[in-house]
Amino acid sequence: QKEVEQNSGPLSVPEGAIASLNCTYSDRGSQSFFWYRQYSGKSPELIMSIYSNGDKEDGRFTAQLNKASQYVSLLIRDSQPSDSATYLCAVQMNYGGATNKLIFGTGTLLAVQP
Amino acid sequence: DGGITQSPKYLFRKEGQNVTLSCEQNLNHDAMYWYRQDPGQGLRLIYYSQIVNDFQKGDIAEGYSVSREKKESFPLTVTSAQKNPTAFYLCASSPRTPRHEKLFFGSGTQLSVL
Repeated sequence: QKEVEQNSGPLSVPEGAIASLNCTYSDRGSQSFFWYRQYSGKSPELIMSIYSNGDKEDGRFTAQLNKASQYVSLLIRDSQPSDSATYLCAVQMNYGGATNKLIFGTGTLLAVQP
Repeated sequence: DGGITQSPKYLFRKEGQNVTLSCEQNLNHDAMYWYRQDPGQGLRLIYYSQIVNDFQKGDIAEGYSVSREKKESFPLTVTSAQKNPTAFYLCASSPRTPRHEKLFFGSGTQLSVL
């Protein structure tokens, strides 16, 4: 069973703090990793993608990937109340031949306290 | 405006009834997907299509059917065989590339049983 694991939260952080969201995955051969943000009752929105080991920064967001540990994380600096949402980790996994599927974690609920 | 349009936003199904959820995209994407989201759970793949006139079962296809007669359209029918259809249904599309699979989501359809 190919899986993506996330802590469901809620993760509560004060405004201005760094929020750290974590994700582990089971398929060692995975090459593509994504973070989606989903506000309540809305559809997911892609906020970060990462394909190589190390850090990738985009504004207040930093994605970190460690393929050896099968671990991907998302850091949100200077957290704002508007960042309060569920963050979904998604990992592309191969199911044989050219068949790749995007497998989602259950999401971590982030609550930024004013 | 390029994007993915899902309709209706809310849908009610009577017992024994089949209902069809619409999904249209004008992004010229080859691949389209249907996901189901239940509270506290991640997105689960129902069906996907990588090319016109072809589609594949996802992880929870029982009780659902799809068609892909046009590149732009990928409707999902929830049949009477689906005994627990209440969920948030998300349609997504992506350009078909060998490695990366960034999904773009529609706004979703909330299906409830009367």
